[in-house]
Amino acid sequence: GESVGLHLPTLSVQEGDNSIINCAYSNSASDYFIWYKQESGKGPQFIIDIRSNMDKRQGQRVTVLLNKTVKHLSLQIAATQPGDSAVYFCAENKSGGSNYKLTFGKGTLLTVNP
Amino acid sequence: DSGVTQTPKHLITATGQRVTLRCSPRSGDLSVYWYQQSLDQGLQFLIQYYNGEERAKGNILERFSAQQFPDLHSELNLSSLELGDSALYFCASSVWGAGANVLTFGAGSRLTVL
Repeated sequence: GESVGLHLPTLSVQEGDNSIINCAYSNSASDYFIWYKQESGKGPQFIIDIRSNMDKRQGQRVTVLLNKTVKHLSLQIAATQPGDSAVYFCAENKSGGSNYKLTFGKGTLLTVNP
Repeated sequence: DSGVTQTPKHLITATGQRVTLRCSPRSGDLSVYWYQQSLDQGLQFLIQYYNGEERAKGNILERFSAQQFPDLHSELNLSSLELGDSALYFCASSVWGAGANVLTFGAGSRLTVL
């Protein structure tokens, strides 16, 4: 069935370290993936996206890697800062069709220790 | 500020009651999505509208209904409320209704049913 899951529910890192948040998906038809960040009391905020014809995409301090062979997605945050503390969600979608349904994973809580 | 406005921010009501949550999408966005976020279920897609028409339905209960008005704002109506309906309800908007599409989320409406 369609599902997006996360390997770890929590991740604690030291400020300045790199963080890696993992996500597994099961719908092989999904061709578009997004990472969202949700801070306490706020709605999810777009971080970075990647299409299935790419293996890697970089943003500012963030990199998303996509491994379609094992249906795995990861978000790497370089030089993690206290402001990065939040819940991170991966989401998947099949971009064809007349409707749009973004399926979210459970989320990983990232805690950055000073 | 994401540009997506949700009201009210907080709502406390009793079982059996009915409430209406309101959402104004980001300027220029034609599509509106409603998501429910609870601790045990994560972000669950409820329903999507595009330019006034229902486009996709997710795990929305029959007690819930929604609509998108000509000015593109949307309302989510929740009736015969139960304790389990207590959750954060997010509205998101996007330019298009399909395709590789980034959703912009509002800050959410926190519903507490007592």
